[in-house]
Amino acid sequence: AQTVTQSQPEMSVQEAETVTLSCTYDTSESDYYLFWYKQPPSRQMILVIRQEAYKQQNATENRFSVNFQKAAKSFSLKISDSQLGDAAMYFCAYRRSGAGSYQLTFGKGTKLSVIP
Amino acid sequence: DSGVTQTPKHLITATGQRVTLRCSPRSGDLSVYWYQQSLDQGLQFLIQYYNGEERAKGNILERFSAQQFPDLHSELNLSSLELGDSALYFCASSAGHQNTEAFFGQGTRLTVV
Repeated sequence: AQTVTQSQPEMSVQEAETVTLSCTYDTSESDYYLFWYKQPPSRQMILVIRQEAYKQQNATENRFSVNFQKAAKSFSLKISDSQLGDAAMYFCAYRRSGAGSYQLTFGKGTKLSVIP
Repeated sequence: DSGVTQTPKHLITATGQRVTLRCSPRSGDLSVYWYQQSLDQGLQFLIQYYNGEERAKGNILERFSAQQFPDLHSELNLSSLELGDSALYFCASSAGHQNTEAFFGQGTRLTVV
């Protein structure tokens, strides 16, 4: 079974600074998808960024980028120029590829605080 | 707004009772997923339906059941409720193909007292 581990329960960052959230996963599959979801106090789950395992290039979405290390099974999220609105729980998630069901396996989450 | 609608937003009920949570997927999405978010277990996959048929089961208790109707909305039924069932229940929908995203509703906060 796939597992996702987020080793940082809480992190903080100064406004306008950069922060990196860590995620490792375990899978025996070679093709899969990885995601970062944001859950603000409103509790809505918002997709931040996704990475296809077959792509070597790291995904980027505006101030959010990932460092995907497939051999190390590592998938970290970097938030640049942090803003107050980035304060939230961040969840790393894994999803298999191929035919069948595409449910997400989530890590326990990292609570990010942004200090003004 | 994700386009996924969950009702009710909040629900308070007593132990032993039965409740039904409802989910309307995004227009055109055939797959519906149910997840439970609790403090001790985190976010866990419960069950998936695709075009009216059960596709996959996760850590869903026997006291829980779900179905997807011809209009593609889904209901999650929770019975014989226990205090430990208090959680946030999310519904997510997707088109069902491997290269499509899952979009989450705002969740139903269930409190069992």
